[in-house]
Amino acid sequence: QVQLVESGGGLVKPGESLRLSCAASGLTFSDYYMSWIRQAPGKGLEWLSYISGSGSTIYYADSLEGRFTISRDNSNNSLYLHMSSLSVDDTAIYYCATDYGASYFFDNWGQGTLVTVSS
Amino acid sequence: YDLTQPPSVPVSPGQTASITCSGENLGNKDVSWYQQKSGQSPVLVIFQDNVRPSGVSERFSGSNSGNTATLTISGTQTMDEADYYCQVWDTSAVVFGGGTKLTVL
Repeated sequence: QVQLVESGGGLVKPGESLRLSCAASGLTFSDYYMSWIRQAPGKGLEWLSYISGSGSTIYYADSLEGRFTISRDNSNNSLYLHMSSLSVDDTAIYYCATDYGASYFFDNWGQGTLVTVSS
Repeated sequence: YDLTQPPSVPVSPGQTASITCSGENLGNKDVSWYQQKSGQSPVLVIFQDNVRPSGVSERFSGSNSGNTATLTISGTQTMDEADYYCQVWDTSAVVFGGGTKLTVL
């Protein structure tokens, strides 16, 4: 079965950068669109970014204002999210999720990685 | 694009729970629903308005018309207590509703 394992979260200071990773297994990774979605403590789900199977098509939420960059390495079955200029408002659990065939819904989710931004 | 859900829906065990999701001309979009139990990752329970993924209980069903989509849970069980989120794709972006906490009393 599909397994997604996020890593790279932790405690960072405001203004710093961080790169998250998502290791995928149990699927033909390049067949899947992938997304990053986050959830602030006690809040709802917030979609961040989408990348096509080839990496040629990318979408971002307007709210990110260019601070985050999504990428993927199909040879390593890995998805990444580079985050810069982090603020306390970026404190959240970050999930990666799969979308088979660009259906624009998410059929598999990872367990999430916690990012805490605090001075 | 905005999706509006009621913050909470109470239901008694064995009864039917209905969770709504409202948006402009929502009936023209494909709606998905996710269940998130406390401390866990979200799980897809309905996609394309009314399709259940393999492994999801038949007690879950969906509909979508006009400006409102509805997730219906029949014969609600205590294990169904969770937060539920609707979701659509609109103008190159994913939109989630604010979530509804289903409380099984």
